[in-house]
Amino acid sequence: EAQLVESGGGLVQPGRSLRLSCKVSGLTFGDCDMSWVRQAPGKGLEWVAFIRRKGFGGTTEYAASVKGRFTISRDDSKSIAYLQMDSLETEDTAVYYCTRRWGTFGPLFDNWGQGTLVTVSS
Amino acid sequence: DIVLTQTPLSLSVTVGQPASISCKSSQSLLRSDGKTFLYWYLQKAGQSPQLLIYEVSGRFSGVPDRFSGSGSGTDFTLKISRVEAEDVGVYFCVQGIGLPWTFGQGTKVEIK
Repeated sequence: EAQLVESGGGLVQPGRSLRLSCKVSGLTFGDCDMSWVRQAPGKGLEWVAFIRRKGFGGTTEYAASVKGRFTISRDDSKSIAYLQMDSLETEDTAVYYCTRRWGTFGPLFDNWGQGTLVTVSS
Repeated sequence: DIVLTQTPLSLSVTVGQPASISCKSSQSLLRSDGKTFLYWYLQKAGQSPQLLIYEVSGRFSGVPDRFSGSGSGTDFTLKISRVEAEDVGVYFCVQGIGLPWTFGQGTKVEIK
């Protein structure tokens, strides 16, 4: 059974950095495209970032709201996807979900983590 | 960015009765090869979202057949033929024709 476990969330001041991790088990991580989706308190879902498997170039994509501040990466040897979040803003406060994209096109997220809460506040 | 508009935003349904949610896109989600990239997710209270429907009408593994998706171009519908108590939660549509992938606002379904 696939498991995605996020960690690294917490309370951070505006302008500071945080790195989220997503440990994947039960899947061949190297064959997985990974993505981060966030949900502000009481709000809807927002796609944040995406990284393709190395076999598809390992390229990355970002939402405009985080481009230049967030960096998604992966360590296939550890089966971990990361989200480095710099220059955090109060608007980044949300639960961050790690997801696995099934297939080769579109937001077909068949596995989700339980989410990790990031609170940006002074 | 493509905007998805869901209606209604909330729905109160009697168990055993049907339910329908609309998702309208600001642009066509049809690709030149004939595929259409519209997906539906359900988020139950306190849980992560779960995939229900992919590419308009494909029912994901394990999803009960009372859930069905339909539509084309810019207009899409999720139908529940007979609502059960376990179907309560917030339903989101999301488009995948182009980046950024964007979600609808969500439709909250509750039992009457």
